[in-house]
Parts: sequence; structure tokens; C-alpha cells
Amino acid sequence: AQSVTQLGSHVSVSEGALVLLRCNYSSSVPPYLFWYVQYPNQGLQLLLKYTTGATLVKGINGFEAEFKKSETSFHLTKPSAHMSDAAEYFCAVSAETNAGKSTFGDGTTLTVKP
Amino acid sequence: DGGITQSPKYLFRKEGQNVTLSCEQNLNHDAMYWYRQDPGQGLRLIYYSQIVNDFQKGDIAEGYSVSREKKESFPLTVTSAQKNPTAFYLCASSISQGRNYGYTFGSGTRLTVV
Repeated sequence: AQSVTQLGSHVSVSEGALVLLRCNYSSSVPPYLFWYVQYPNQGLQLLLKYTTGATLVKGINGFEAEFKKSETSFHLTKPSAHMSDAAEYFCAVSAETNAGKSTFGDGTTLTVKP
Repeated sequence: DGGITQSPKYLFRKEGQNVTLSCEQNLNHDAMYWYRQDPGQGLRLIYYSQIVNDFQKGDIAEGYSVSREKKESFPLTVTSAQKNPTAFYLCASSISQGRNYGYTFGSGTRLTVV
């Protein structure tokens, strides 16, 4: 079984400030972890992924995330927020033994203030 | 460019009516998925298919049906048995079953019951 908890359904930051979106997961086998971004009335776009290897992964648009097995976390960060980062962000977990199915968190809406 | 095409973008269903949502991909991906998204909630898996002529129920399959006659196509039918079909429906694909290195999503179909 696998599950994802995203802490904070809404996060607000000022432009230029650090972005931190929190994700904790549960998985009985080694997980694959993902962050996706969704703009209004659109599909989701893959930001970054962790499968194996380096625990700090870099993605598009300056985002990165660190896989911490001991904390079962995969938090998403960006050093400096831009207005265009305002969107909804989803964390997801999958596993090679699970037919590629992903379980998604409930999402975090990021607001960026000028 | 390769991608996933969902149509129509908006769909209105009358009570007791069956409707079919189209999903076509030209990515040569083996696995395809249908998710339902409701406001403030994450994505919930309806059906998935790992190869042609085979598909499995997800977490909320009741009131839905699918087919996978071609690798490129994975249509979803919302039947009259689905009592609360108003939602945003997302189709996704991944390169192969089990090895989920991230989904590619379509732009979604918004279904409304009138």
C-alpha cells in the first residue's frame, strides 16, 4: 500500500522568497516519487522525479526536491519564487511492484504575492 | 510533437445518459491511465491499462468502463450508473508498466451533469 500526505493545502510566499512545499509518503517497498504542477483547467506537468540514485533531484523551472528515507519525505523547494510559479502542486508516489500506478496527494495551491 | 490528446475539452451529460471521453497518445507508451479530479482533492484512479486488450479497475471504477483496442487509444465511458459524474477527467500515459518514470498527462475533459 502507498499513500501521500501534503502538508498545507495553501501556501503563500512573496516574490523572490523561498518556496517550500511539504510531502510525506508511505510505501511498503522502495518508492518512486514525483512532483507535478497544474495550472487552471489544464493537465498536470511533471516537475521532477526520484527513482533511484542521487537523493537530491533537480527539475524544471528551478525546482528541486530531496528524498529523505529516514523522514519518509520528499519536499519541493525553489530558492526564489516567481509570479509564474503560482499554481497547484501535487506530490505522487509509485513503485515498480505496483504496475506503475501512482497515488497522488491532495495538492498544495501556491500563491505568489508581488 | 508527441503528446496526449483528450477530447472534448468540455462535455455536458443529461441524467441517464452515457458519454464517452476520448484519449489518444502518439508517444508509443505502453501504459495508460484514467484519473478523476474533484475540487480540493487529489487524483483518484478509475482504470488503467498496461497493454493492448487488457485493463484493470482502479480505486473508483464503479459506473465507468474502458476499452484498449489500440495502443494509442484508451476511451473512457461514463455510464448512467455513475451517480456523481461531474468532475475533471485526466488521461495519462507512461512508457511501460511497472517502470513509472513519470506520467504524461492530457489537458483534461471537464464533465458536467445538466
